[in-house]
Amino acid sequence: NAGVTQTPKFRVLKTGQSMTLLCAQDMNHEYMYWYRQDPGMGLRLIHYSVGEGTTAKGEVPDGYNVSRLKKQNFLLGLESAAPSQTSVYFCASSYPGLALTYEQYFGPGTRLTVT
Amino acid sequence: GENVEQHPSTLSVQEGDSAVIKCTYSDSASNYFPWYKQELGKRPQLIIDIRSNVGEKKDQRIAVTLNKTAKHFSLHITETQPEDSAVYFCAASSDTGANSKLTFGKGITLSVRP
Repeated sequence: NAGVTQTPKFRVLKTGQSMTLLCAQDMNHEYMYWYRQDPGMGLRLIHYSVGEGTTAKGEVPDGYNVSRLKKQNFLLGLESAAPSQTSVYFCASSYPGLALTYEQYFGPGTRLTVT
Repeated sequence: GENVEQHPSTLSVQEGDSAVIKCTYSDSASNYFPWYKQELGKRPQLIIDIRSNVGEKKDQRIAVTLNKTAKHFSLHITETQPEDSAVYFCAASSDTGANSKLTFGKGITLSVRP
C-alpha cells in the first residue's frame, strides 16, 4: 500500500494564481484532513472531511476550498494565492474502526511558495 | 474550541538521560491525547496515544501520563538516543466520531547531545 500520497511535492506560485493540491489514500479511510505547517505554529487544520461528499471548516479555512468527490481523494484548492499561504501542506487520513483509534496517517507534504 | 499548549519550545538533553515534554489543554471534554514525532523534512508520525480513561501508557522507552484534573499530559522518553532528536507534537481531541479532529500544540524541538 502507498498509504497517503500528495501531489505535487513542491510548487511556486505567483500572487493571484490558483492551484489544486491532491491527496490520495489507499487505506479505505473515512476521514481526511488538510493541515498547514508554519515555523513555530505547529499543525493547523484547514478543512476536513468525515466521508465522501462531506467537508467541514477547520481552524484556518479562509482562502482555501476543498472537495471530497471520491472517498480516496481529498482536494485542496487555492483560488487566488497570497504570500501568506506560503507553507508546507500536509494531508492526513484516519479511520476509527472498531478499536476507536484515531491515529492520523500523514502524507509526505507539499511545499508551496507564493511570491 | 480546544487550545493546546506546549512548553518549552526547545529541549536539549544528554544522550542516555530522560526527557519530559509537557502539554496542557483547555477543553475538559477532550478524551484522546496523541503524541506525534516529526523528523527533519519528514511527515509527522504517531508514537503513542492515551485516552482519558487511562492515567498512564508505556511503550518500550516512551510513556505518556495524563492528569485530567489539572488538564495536562506529558511524554516521557527514557535512555534518550540521537535518533530521538525531532520535533514532538502533542494534540487533543474533544470530539469523537463524526467530528473527530485534533488540535495540535506548536511543537517542541528535542535535541539529544551525543
